[in-house]
Amino acid sequence: DIQMTQSPSTLSASVGDRVTITCRASQSISNWLAWYQQKPGKAPNLLIYSASTLESGVPSRFSGSGSGTEFTLTISSLQPDDFATYYCQQYSSFWTFGQGTKVEIK
Amino acid sequence: EVQLVESGGGLVQPGGSLRLSCSASGFTFSNYAMLWVRQAPGKGLEYISAISNDGGSTYYADSVKGRFTISRDNSKNTLYLQMSSLRPEDTAVYHCVKKIPGRSPCDYWGQGTLVTVSS
Repeated sequence: DIQMTQSPSTLSASVGDRVTITCRASQSISNWLAWYQQKPGKAPNLLIYSASTLESGVPSRFSGSGSGTEFTLTISSLQPDDFATYYCQQYSSFWTFGQGTKVEIK
Repeated sequence: EVQLVESGGGLVQPGGSLRLSCSASGFTFSNYAMLWVRQAPGKGLEYISAISNDGGSTYYADSVKGRFTISRDNSKNTLYLQMSSLRPEDTAVYHCVKKIPGRSPCDYWGQGTLVTVSS
């Protein structure tokens, strides 16, 4: 089974900050990686797929990069609506999620 | 508009059974593979089962293999999850999830239904 490890688990930041979240796969997954945003009590929302392709309607301040085993999600200028938990997901072999990164207000 | 509405959750004793349903609308249900993903209280997301668009192929995570059964009725646009031999660690919100065709992520999620396994 492919394991996904996200870091950090929690990130404290201010509005306007540049934020980076890392996701590592236990084996190469090429670019079969997605990022989701989840707010409390809500279902996850797809942000990025194929490691770097922005889902329709997602603000351009979100970007993704990486391939193989190491990936990053970057928010270029954190907005109030972005305080949430973010999950990576590999879909190279079935589906596995990272443990999540909570972005909280500093 | 794509809608996925889960039902059937509730409180069940350890060792008990429960069947979850997911009613789908806003897309051609029979064209898409579907998943169940759960989230224990305060925890992350865990894929537990998937089914092909025609129901001919099913997949399970090791944590539920042999205890849970996924199925679908394309004539009713409904996805099911039959859960048996439930354990306290199965306590979670269970989400019905639509998958994009091919090797791809999931684009729509239901709000979920809470299953609590406790005596």
